[in-house]
Amino acid sequence: AAGVIQSPRHLIKEKRETATLKCYPIPRHDTVYWYQQGPGQDPQFLISFYEKMQSDKGSIPDRFSAQQFSDYHSELNMSSLELGDSALYFCASSLGGTGVRKSEAFFGQGTRLTVV
Amino acid sequence: AQKITQTQPGMFVQEKEAVTLDCTYDTSDPSYGLFWYKQPSSGEMIFLIYQGSYDQQNATEGRYSLNFQKARKSANLVISASQLGDSAMYFCAMRGSGGYQKVTFGTGTKLQVIP
Repeated sequence: AAGVIQSPRHLIKEKRETATLKCYPIPRHDTVYWYQQGPGQDPQFLISFYEKMQSDKGSIPDRFSAQQFSDYHSELNMSSLELGDSALYFCASSLGGTGVRKSEAFFGQGTRLTVV
Repeated sequence: AQKITQTQPGMFVQEKEAVTLDCTYDTSDPSYGLFWYKQPSSGEMIFLIYQGSYDQQNATEGRYSLNFQKARKSANLVISASQLGDSAMYFCAMRGSGGYQKVTFGTGTKLQVIP
């Protein structure tokens, strides 16, 4: 079965550079979430999109922006990178709307960003 | 707001033994889903098991079962017949069913299986 695809899997950037992470959700999933997981930390919610509109916002720095495109894939853009941005970035997808079974969410394999 | 509490930062279990990882939650949503994920050292987040708040029976997936006690707001993961490959970080998580709610994670439990 198709899963959530993230690219790249690994990324090394220098301070003050920019990075773009991509997420391709499971087919027919219309909701995408981005999480940041620092070393030894639990995943922290950054932002989510439903039907190409931002649906929720967490602790996302102003230097970061994201969007969801017409094919439902999403990109997380990170500018003026700092050493503290080094983390594992996860994307998850689910079906929006209501209903108990709609609460399932599936995660991609993550992008490991290292800022040097 | 939703909150997940995992009170065991680390656990050890002997190979072939069963182990229970604790998870309690708090939410005002009448309908929600509870998840367990496994995160090995490679970093990927592997979905293990799901329990809906209105499911009558406890969820099971192979060697994994979820001991769901709704009145106590607990959703403990039971791993039977532990294997060396089970050594990993385990996260309990939840998500409301309304709209597009985010998944909220606990702080995780690091499980180490001893030969």
